Amino acid sequence: NAGVMQNPRHLVRRRGQEARLRCSPMKGHSHVYWYRQLPEEGLKFMVYLQKENIIDESGMPKERFSAEFPKEGPSILRIQQVVRGDSAAYFCASSPGTSGRIGTDTQYFGPGTRLTVL
Amino acid sequence: GQNIDQPTEMTATEGAIVQINCTYQTSGFNGLFWYQQHAGEAPTFLSYNVLDGLEEKGRFSSFLSRSKGYSYLLLKELQMKDSASYLCAVRNAGNNRKLIWGLGTSLAVNP
Repeated sequence: NAGVMQNPRHLVRRRGQEARLRCSPMKGHSHVYWYRQLPEEGLKFMVYLQKENIIDESGMPKERFSAEFPKEGPSILRIQQVVRGDSAAYFCASSPGTSGRIGTDTQYFGPGTRLTVL
Repeated sequence: GQNIDQPTEMTATEGAIVQINCTYQTSGFNGLFWYQQHAGEAPTFLSYNVLDGLEEKGRFSSFLSRSKGYSYLLLKELQMKDSASYLCAVRNAGNNRKLIWGLGTSLAVNP
């Protein structure tokens, strides 16, 4: 069973360009979470999605950032007009979304995308 | 507010036992998770507690006291490869599956 896949693993953009990060959840998982992590810092929750729905985007900056999880295909985190402060590791996690015992719904992480903004 | 507290750094010796504590204050409780993260890598799931008591899994054990808002991760027979950051995360009550994360404890295992 393949794990969570993220691509690209490394992405370099110049200021003002767009960054598009992709995440394919584990097989059978219907819930996706995006996190940002700066060096030597903790994980910062950004957004939680189910297929075609954004459930919680309380951690996402209001401008330039958007996320989607279409019916077909991977989840996409899009950052428009990137700035140097967007340089970070972006991790995607997925969970099965088992009904009933929500508490046991464990998140499994992809390898991350390291975004560098020049 | 919601808060997860862990020590920032710990040091231990190869072969020893180390306990990493986590205290939490959250609006409701629906489970506590421990993850391990090596430098430059993704977090990997270690353990899950929702009821009070100790859950043992090989060299790693995790304990929970809901009344005290307290958990610890116990690592036995430490190995050099256990040098990593250990993250504590809590899920609130309700239908939102989002986790609230601590900043992590950086463990250095010395020979």
